[in-house]
Amino acid sequence: GENVEQHPSTLSVQEGDSAVIKCTYSDSASNYFPWYKQELGKRPQLIIDIRSNVGEKKDQRIAVTLNKTAKHFSLHITETQPEDSAVYFCAASIGGATNKLIFGTGTLLAVQP
Amino acid sequence: NAGVTQTPKFQVLKTGQSMTLQCAQDMNHEYMSWYRQDPGMGLRLIHYSVGAGITDQGEVPNGYNVSRSTTEDFPLRLLSAAPSQTSVYFCASSFSRTGELFFGEGSRLTVL
Repeated sequence: GENVEQHPSTLSVQEGDSAVIKCTYSDSASNYFPWYKQELGKRPQLIIDIRSNVGEKKDQRIAVTLNKTAKHFSLHITETQPEDSAVYFCAASIGGATNKLIFGTGTLLAVQP
Repeated sequence: NAGVTQTPKFQVLKTGQSMTLQCAQDMNHEYMSWYRQDPGMGLRLIHYSVGAGITDQGEVPNGYNVSRSTTEDFPLRLLSAAPSQTSVYFCASSFSRTGELFFGEGSRLTVL
């Protein structure tokens, strides 16, 4: 079946450094790739998403890149701050034009002050 | 708007008991879904609905039933709880089929 692999599972960076989280997906029909942030004990919340007709999208300190040929997409966080510490999940839509999502297993990001 | 509301927030069941997790949204979203979250496994789709009267299975549907009689409500039923169903359950909704998913606060279920 379809799956999404996410790496690394944990990531520790110093405040001000950049963080990169990578995902690969298996379904060639996937066309929507959101990233969710989940703080401890809270609900997941969308931080950025990208659709298959776009290669890169940026929102302030956060950017996402997509390589459809390689079925890779990545989250980049620049100038990390302690409040960026959380679990980050990537996801890919199953098939086209759907928000039926397959999630990665998550990355625990710790930003050390 | 309250967004997506789940009840109860915590529940302890004994093996074999049944229960219903409630989910309601007040955003007039057509799409609703249930996920379970287990350590190291991310979020896995249980069931979803694209509108009132329409439901379908996700990745891990076994042991769970759903129905969608109204746009607002999407309850998840466990007919005979098993320890393997110990998890945190999230209900989510979106306005369109490709829109942002809004999650509820989660329901932590323990099956003894």
